[in-house]
Amino acid sequence: AQKVTQAQTEISVVEKEDVTLDCVYETRDTTYYLFWYKQPPSGELVFLIRRNSFDEQNEISGRYSWNFQKSTSSFNFTITASQVVDSAVYFCALKSEYGNKLVFGAGTILRVKS
Amino acid sequence: DVKVTQSSRYLVKRTGEKVFLECVQDMDHENMFWYRQDPGLGLRLIYFSYDVKMKEKGDIPEGYSVSREKKERFSLILESASTNQTSMYLCASRNRGITEAFFGQGTRLTVV
Repeated sequence: AQKVTQAQTEISVVEKEDVTLDCVYETRDTTYYLFWYKQPPSGELVFLIRRNSFDEQNEISGRYSWNFQKSTSSFNFTITASQVVDSAVYFCALKSEYGNKLVFGAGTILRVKS
Repeated sequence: DVKVTQSSRYLVKRTGEKVFLECVQDMDHENMFWYRQDPGLGLRLIYFSYDVKMKEKGDIPEGYSVSREKKERFSLILESASTNQTSMYLCASRNRGITEAFFGQGTRLTVV
């Protein structure tokens, strides 16, 4: 069975602080995909990144970076110099190569205060 | 840009009513999904459809049904709404072979 765990229910930081959101997954598949989505107060989930299981290279996109470590089954997300607009619920998700289903973690609420 | 549109942002219905939640996507995606979002539980899959008139149960299909008569439209039906179906409902679509899903803005349903 597949499972995604986001142990941090809620994180509060002050603007300009760096923050890391943790994601740990379980799967027996050798090929799978990992995702991060952002859900702002408007409600729509916004796709941030997809990583496949064969690509362990870390990725940076502006203030966002992702650290994929297969050895620890983790796919953590770091926001550098956080801003108030980063306040949202962030979801980590997992999909096997052949299935249709996205398995989501419970989400982490990030509050960035000015 | 992919557009997934849900017909209502907020709905209030009475216990026992039949409720229809509508979702339309404009990118000719084969796959469409209905999720339910509850605090602390993340998103849970109710049903998905991989083609017109084709559907499969997700993790929590009890109390729900779906309809997909046209490729662009996927409806979620609550046959007899109950208070434990009060939740945020999210529709998503995904193209075959491209793995990220695109989501609608959600429908917050309250059953009283």
